[in-house]
This record gives sequence, C-alpha cells and structure tokens, in this order.
Amino acid sequence: AQTVTQSQPEMSVQEAETVTLSCTYDTSESDYYLFWYKQPPSRQMILVIRQEAYKQQNATENRFSVNFQKAAKSFSLKISDSQLGDAAMYFCAYRSGDSWGKLQFGAGTQVVVTP
Amino acid sequence: EPEVTQTPSHQVTQMGQEVILRCVPISNHLYFYWYRQILGQKVEFLVSFYNNEISEKSEIFDDQFSVERPDGSNFTLKIRSTKLEDSAMYFCARTGTGGETQYFGPGTRLLVL
Repeated sequence: AQTVTQSQPEMSVQEAETVTLSCTYDTSESDYYLFWYKQPPSRQMILVIRQEAYKQQNATENRFSVNFQKAAKSFSLKISDSQLGDAAMYFCAYRSGDSWGKLQFGAGTQVVVTP
Repeated sequence: EPEVTQTPSHQVTQMGQEVILRCVPISNHLYFYWYRQILGQKVEFLVSFYNNEISEKSEIFDDQFSVERPDGSNFTLKIRSTKLEDSAMYFCARTGTGGETQYFGPGTRLLVL
C-alpha cells in the first residue's frame, strides 16, 4: 500500500517571501501521479498542481512549483511571493497510474502567511 | 474545468437517522468518488463509482454506506444509520478529461448529534 507523509504540521511565511512544503511517499509503482491540493477555511479542496511521474520536468503553475525527486520519492511544493490568500491547509496526494484510481492524501501542512 | 455541486451544504441529524448526500455533475461524467474528512484529519477515500457500479471501496465503506445514481444524473451517498463518528465533511469528486485529475465539489458538512 502506498503512504503519503507530510512531516510539517505548520509553516509560517511572510508576505512576498517563499515557503517550501515537503511531501514524501512510498510506492513500488513506476507509473503514478502526484498532486497538491489547497484547502482554505471554507474547506473546499482546490487543485494547485499536478505532476506525472513519467515527466522529468517539474510542474509549475504561476507562483507554485514543485521539486519532484522520483528516486528519493519526494515531492515538495514551493510557493513564491506568498500572498495572504495563500493561507490554507495544503495536502499532498498520490494516485496510481491507473487513470481512475483513488487519491491517497497526506496529513496536511497548515500555511500561515503574516503581513 | 467545471466542478460538481453538492447538496445540502450542511446537514444536522440525530444518531441512528438515515442521511442522503447528493452530488450533481455539471456534465455527463462517468467516474465519481466520495471522500470524507473528519475535522482536523486528512481526507480519506470512501468509494469510487463508474458506469453505475462501485469500482473500488475502502474499509470505511461498510454496510452502513451505499451509493447510487438513481436518475442517471445525481450521484448519492446514503448513510443508513448514522453514528456520532460519521460527523465529517463529505466530498464528491469527479475526474477531468483523461481521468488523471480529480476535481472536488464544495462538500457537505454532516453533524451527527
């Protein structure tokens, strides 16, 4: 069974600064997908970014980028130029390469943005 | 991509009562999922549903739970006899084009008293 570990319960960052959230996972599969979801106080789950395991290039979405290290089974999220609206819980998630498989989530990291 | 909508947004029920949570797709998606999140905990997979049949279910999804698509449109999760520990946020999700990514609805907050 795959497991997803987020070892940072909370991270604090000042506005305009950069913060990096860590995520590690355990799998024996070679084909899979990794995701970061954002959950603001409304508790809506919002997709931030997706990474396909077969792609060597790290995914980027505006101020959000990942550092995907397949051999180390590491998938960190970098938030650049942090904004107050980035304050939320961030969940790392794993999905098997089977296109319709379930998501397996980590415990989450709370991001606090200070002015 | 458009998300799904969920009703109700909040539900309060008494222990032992049946509840039905609804997921309304914007378009004709075939693959759906239910997840739950107990307050302060991580999101947990309950069940996936494809072409009107259960595709996969977790150990949480016991005989108290059922899913169906009664009218070919709405996708429902039924909890037959609610327990206090069923209090949670319940999310419906659907896959986007190609199936790689799941998009979540806004959730239903269930409180069992």
